[in-house]
Amino acid sequence: DAGVIQSPRHEVTEMGQEVTLRCKPISGHNSLFWYRQTMMRGLELLIYFNNNVPIDDSGMPEDRFSAKMPNASFSTLKIQPSEPRDSAVYFCASSQGTEYGEKNEKLFFGSGTQLSVL
Amino acid sequence: AQKVTQAQTEISVVEKEDVTLDCVYETRDTTYYLFWYKQPPSGELVFLIRRNSFDEQNEISGRYSWNFQKSTSSFNFTITASQVVDSAVYFCALSEARRGGGNKLTFGTGTQLKVEL
Repeated sequence: DAGVIQSPRHEVTEMGQEVTLRCKPISGHNSLFWYRQTMMRGLELLIYFNNNVPIDDSGMPEDRFSAKMPNASFSTLKIQPSEPRDSAVYFCASSQGTEYGEKNEKLFFGSGTQLSVL
Repeated sequence: AQKVTQAQTEISVVEKEDVTLDCVYETRDTTYYLFWYKQPPSGELVFLIRRNSFDEQNEISGRYSWNFQKSTSSFNFTITASQVVDSAVYFCALSEARRGGGNKLTFGTGTQLKVEL
């Protein structure tokens, strides 16, 4: 049973370049979350989707960040242009939660993408 | 606004000692969920437990146990007879059950546990 799959595992890029992180949630899960982890700020929720619809993007740092979920099995997080302060581990997670959160099922996390912006 | 506080940044113990990781939360909701996750050195986040706000029974799973006390807004995690493999960062998290909240988790800052021989 495949878990949440993220790619790439590591990304090193130069400031100003576009970066795209990818996520494949667990089949059957209808909620998808993007988190960012840094030493300074810990784990922060960037955005989450329910049934492919963005529900809350209040955690997205600024307009340089965008996320899409074109279908139930794929999501992307894009940073354009990237900056050194974007360096972090980006986690994708999925669950069988509902818009109202009645089930509040546990989140299954991917292995993360370690992003370094030089 | 919801908030999770893990005051212990780092704890070091010797193998076989018991250790308790503290978690204090803040929420205005009466219905909410509490979680613990483990992040080993490999980096992935591993689910350990979920508890809803109406269930204050303590839970035990092997060497792990959790103490949920609504009166003090705490959800502490105890590892009995710690082992080197328990070395990891442990995160406490809170989720509020309301429309638009989904199961969005607010995480604490984590406690780094080091178990030495």
